[in-house]
Amino acid sequence: QSVLTQPPSVSGAPGQRVTISCTGSSSNIGAGYDVHWYQQIPGTAPKRLIYGNRYRPSGVPDRFSGSKSGTSASLAITGLQAEDEADYYCQSYDSSLSGSVFGGGTKLTVL
Amino acid sequence: EVQLVESGGALVQPGGSLKLSCAASGFTFSDSAVHWVRQASGNGLEWIGHIRSRVDNYATAYAASVKGRFTISRDDSENTASLQMNSLKTEDTAVYYCTRTDAIFGVFRGWFDPWGQGTLVTVSS
Repeated sequence: QSVLTQPPSVSGAPGQRVTISCTGSSSNIGAGYDVHWYQQIPGTAPKRLIYGNRYRPSGVPDRFSGSKSGTSASLAITGLQAEDEADYYCQSYDSSLSGSVFGGGTKLTVL
Repeated sequence: EVQLVESGGALVQPGGSLKLSCAASGFTFSDSAVHWVRQASGNGLEWIGHIRSRVDNYATAYAASVKGRFTISRDDSENTASLQMNSLKTEDTAVYYCTRTDAIFGVFRGWFDPWGQGTLVTVSS
């Protein structure tokens, strides 16, 4: 059971928009700690996708965007492409656990 | 190029020990906190611990699942970090990644970047 809750899977057709939610609590996201998102292609290491709730590293397309409100955060992907098919993880810090925490991951399928 | 490279993964028997290493290059290693994250096959990412920098007194923190069994250390003169794993259990079988958070945002606000390629630890008799 992950501290941050994500849907196990989402899917969408090419060109469509999908969102992935990340729900936490008052000891992590709700406490004001930033949320970061990672993309992981199976068989490879995770890669930073969104940091500081909404910032994109250079090289990440602007089709990817992040937001945060209250005890939750969201990752939105517009104009879905086949190459977006991957696992996505949210991450934050938890003051009760005194450590970093991840969501359980969401598998994105591009139909 | 900013890079982390793990090594030391192996097959080990339950109850055994193993030490993983993480070699850093391309950034000021001594200013960064180093984290270890693992991923069992078909499962998600699990943060297992970190070691902070000298200015934070090399403070460590561990996930409950490994506390008391795993120890993270670092050698800033060699730009390396280590994960000593003792009393290994079959459920410790996973790919182990090292990663870092930078000096400015630190462990509380920082993000993990870069990541190493991972090293596989298999605990089995």
